Amino acid sequence: DQQVKQNSPSLSVQEGRISILNCDYTNSMFDYFLWYKKYPAEGPTFLISISSIKDKNEDGRFTVFLNKSAKHLSLHIVPSQPGDSAVYFCAAKEDGGSEKLVFGKGTKLTVNP
Amino acid sequence: DTAVSQTPKYLVTQMGNDKSIKCEQNLGHDTMYWYKQDSKKFLKIMFSYNNKELIINETVPNRFSPKSPDKAHLNLHINSLELGDSAVYFCASRDRGQMSGYTFGSGTRLTVV
Repeated sequence: DQQVKQNSPSLSVQEGRISILNCDYTNSMFDYFLWYKKYPAEGPTFLISISSIKDKNEDGRFTVFLNKSAKHLSLHIVPSQPGDSAVYFCAAKEDGGSEKLVFGKGTKLTVNP
Repeated sequence: DTAVSQTPKYLVTQMGNDKSIKCEQNLGHDTMYWYKQDSKKFLKIMFSYNNKELIINETVPNRFSPKSPDKAHLNLHINSLELGDSAVYFCASRDRGQMSGYTFGSGTRLTVV
């Protein structure tokens, strides 16, 4: 029962172009969403987040969009850089004080020079 | 000056053994977690402690026992190791009063042979 789904296991883009990573969720009780970036042999690192009361949050080259009606969020990276090559995890937190994050399986992004 | 540190980074052991993984955070966070990343790459929460008190226990076998001697440490002890316990275990911490993302350790790769 995957509550957070990242249906693309991998994505390859050219340096300088836009990277779009997608995430779908099924639990309407999720009220906060996060993106994490993970390099091999390292732990996930927090990238950007968005509350369910917003539909967009921007931080430098990274923008997260949330479409609550579609239960869909996406991470845009513009312009993409080779150093962005990593696995990106989408995560969600349930409303009501639960402390746990529910993660997707991740999307491996490769940015080619 | 590592924020969340786990030891050991790699652990290879035989079935039936008992092993421990240690985690320490120097961020002053009051909540700590153990997550497991299995062979299918899902990151799933196992336990959460807030100020040494267990607040989440996600249907993990009794062979897994977390111990929090103080709010900066959360260790994981595993009894009678099984082949299926092979995974990467991540420790994480968070300041419960903040909505920002967790800080993860770099992971412990456990291989049971």
